[in-house]
Amino acid sequence: NAGVTQTPKFQVLKTGQSMTLQCAQDMNHEYMSWYRQDPGMGLRLIHYSVGAGITDQGEVPNGYNVSRSTTEDFPLRLLSAAPSQTSVYFCASSTQGNTEAFFGQGTRLTVV
Amino acid sequence: DQQVKQNSPSLSVQEGRISILNCDYTNSMFDYFLWYKKYPAEGPTFLISISSIKDKNEDGRFTVFLNKSAKHLSLHIVPSQPGDSAVYFCAACNTDKLIFGTGTRLQVFP
Repeated sequence: NAGVTQTPKFQVLKTGQSMTLQCAQDMNHEYMSWYRQDPGMGLRLIHYSVGAGITDQGEVPNGYNVSRSTTEDFPLRLLSAAPSQTSVYFCASSTQGNTEAFFGQGTRLTVV
Repeated sequence: DQQVKQNSPSLSVQEGRISILNCDYTNSMFDYFLWYKKYPAEGPTFLISISSIKDKNEDGRFTVFLNKSAKHLSLHIVPSQPGDSAVYFCAACNTDKLIFGTGTRLQVFP
């Protein structure tokens, strides 16, 4: 029972570097989303997708890109990392936007 | 602008007593509300939800109350147990966007 799998679990980047955070789910969920968690800010929605080929912006999309070529995968790309992107990132999936979402274990990203 | 607010960053309750966690929202278009629980170094896990057409939903020790006119929901945990110690997030759904609050850290002490 894999559920939602995020890789890597930890990552340190230098300012200006790019990277992709991977997210995969095996529950055949149509809806997937990315959040970042920062102290005192809760979980903020970065981008979300309601199905393969469809993505949309959340509350804090700047500096991030997403694509959804398959139902299973929803990678998050940081184009040019900045210290302000230091955070814990969570990927989630659900059957619909207003149903129980299943979260991955998170990726702790530090940008120096 | 925070659409979902949890104004109490922390709450401390004695084991066996009631824990009440509060959440306020500003967007009247939200039609579904959820509570999640999060332990350190883990992803959030779903706890309980409520549709905007209801004002109460129970699941075992957990009850969620919704007051639409006040744009307020609350989570009651009775009786509280030490294993309930975690961060609790409320979340609200508008079309396909699930928006979370800032979280309340609950500590249940013996």
